[in-house]
Amino acid sequence: DAGITQSPRYKITETGRQVTLMCHQTWSHSYMFWYRQDLGHGLRLIYYSAAADITDKGEVSDGYVVSRSKTENFPLTLESATRSQTSVYFCASSDRDSTAYFGEGSWLTVV
Amino acid sequence: QKEVEQNSGPLSVPEGAIASLNCTYSDRGSQSFFWYRQYSGKSPELIMSIYSNGDKEDGRFTAQLNKASQYVSLLIRDSQPSDSATYLCAVKWLNDKIIFGKGTRLHILP
Repeated sequence: DAGITQSPRYKITETGRQVTLMCHQTWSHSYMFWYRQDLGHGLRLIYYSAAADITDKGEVSDGYVVSRSKTENFPLTLESATRSQTSVYFCASSDRDSTAYFGEGSWLTVV
Repeated sequence: QKEVEQNSGPLSVPEGAIASLNCTYSDRGSQSFFWYRQYSGKSPELIMSIYSNGDKEDGRFTAQLNKASQYVSLLIRDSQPSDSATYLCAVKWLNDKIIFGKGTRLHILP
């Protein structure tokens, strides 16, 4: 089915480990986004990408790395996870003239 | 810093009444505005999009946009218990970033 999928849906990791959250969309949307959602902060933009090989920082990019070698994939890597990165992570995609459509989220706990 | 502001609530509205949700934004150049609904533990889902000044109606929902005042609102008529959720206002900036407000929690009282 067409859509946007995230994996893993749930992850527990230890402080200092590298973690990669995957995002895949089948709509061929140009734009892809990563947000984190925390109580009291709402959805905050981490990184976004306008096309393959084009990425830009959002509001809270420190400690995160992204890549976009293919239009359909937009992985988010936490290079050395910290407890403050415990959050729910949402991937989204859109076309230039449309709004963002979200994946189901990835719940990450850093212990 | 481009910002989107919403009252966090909770906003309590009796069943059958009109719920009014408000949002302000800081960038006059923004052209696209969206309302999302998010149930607890779920991802945001699009309710309405609006691009021009004035009102846009879709069923029980009406979005209102006033670019001069940098204000966008969502009205929910005949509120139902199933409308209880967090409502997120989103703005697409000219560089195509989509920024969200912190959301307003809406509680419909049976």
